[in-house]
Amino acid sequence: QSALTQPASVSGSPGQSITISCTGTSGDVGGYNFVSWYQQHPGKVPKLIIYDVSNRPSGISNRFSGSKSGNTASLTISGLQTEDEADYYCNSYTRYSTPYVFGTGTKVTVL
Amino acid sequence: QVQLVQSGAEVKKPGASVQLSCKASGYTFSNYYMHWVRQAPGQGLEWMGVIYPSGSGTEYAEKFQGRLTMTRDTSTSTLYMELSSLTSQDTAVYFCAREGPDAAKHFDYWGQGTLVTVSP
Repeated sequence: QSALTQPASVSGSPGQSITISCTGTSGDVGGYNFVSWYQQHPGKVPKLIIYDVSNRPSGISNRFSGSKSGNTASLTISGLQTEDEADYYCNSYTRYSTPYVFGTGTKVTVL
Repeated sequence: QVQLVQSGAEVKKPGASVQLSCKASGYTFSNYYMHWVRQAPGQGLEWMGVIYPSGSGTEYAEKFQGRLTMTRDTSTSTLYMELSSLTSQDTAVYFCAREGPDAAKHFDYWGQGTLVTVSP
């Protein structure tokens, strides 16, 4: 069972919007609404920013939003800020023998 | 407030085993699924396994079957992980993580991470 596929890097200027994709299969992303997203700054602990495809935990900025279409989930960061520069990982519950799988990770750079 | 405090860094030789701990506080430990996730240097996150709230069940990633054991002690609110037959590929930061309420299938709180170095 392979990791979910994310672009290695995405960049944008302050104030712009960017979107990170997370592609899986019908057995994971496409089969459940249990996609979550995590932000990780260098040397820090991952932080939950989106759960159940599109829900934000308390305290997470509404600049972060999530969606899903078929086997691909997406994270959009609007009004990009310098503090958004970090690595982002998606995760999905799966029907396979390994019940959870992370994405390959995306490095977001704010130009 | 919810806290997950992990044990300190470990250095192990190839072939050895390592046991890590994760002490929970600020919530009812016995009510939540708990997970281990690892991250090799410069690499992404890798899910390893989950233990059920009561400790009666576990599920492990296929690649760790046979050498990963997760346990929990509800009397001390502590989660444990033992990984055996270590190789250099197991050098990583290991995180414990709490699954959200009601088997939410996401990870809402994380420990600070424990670096395990496997070196001859």
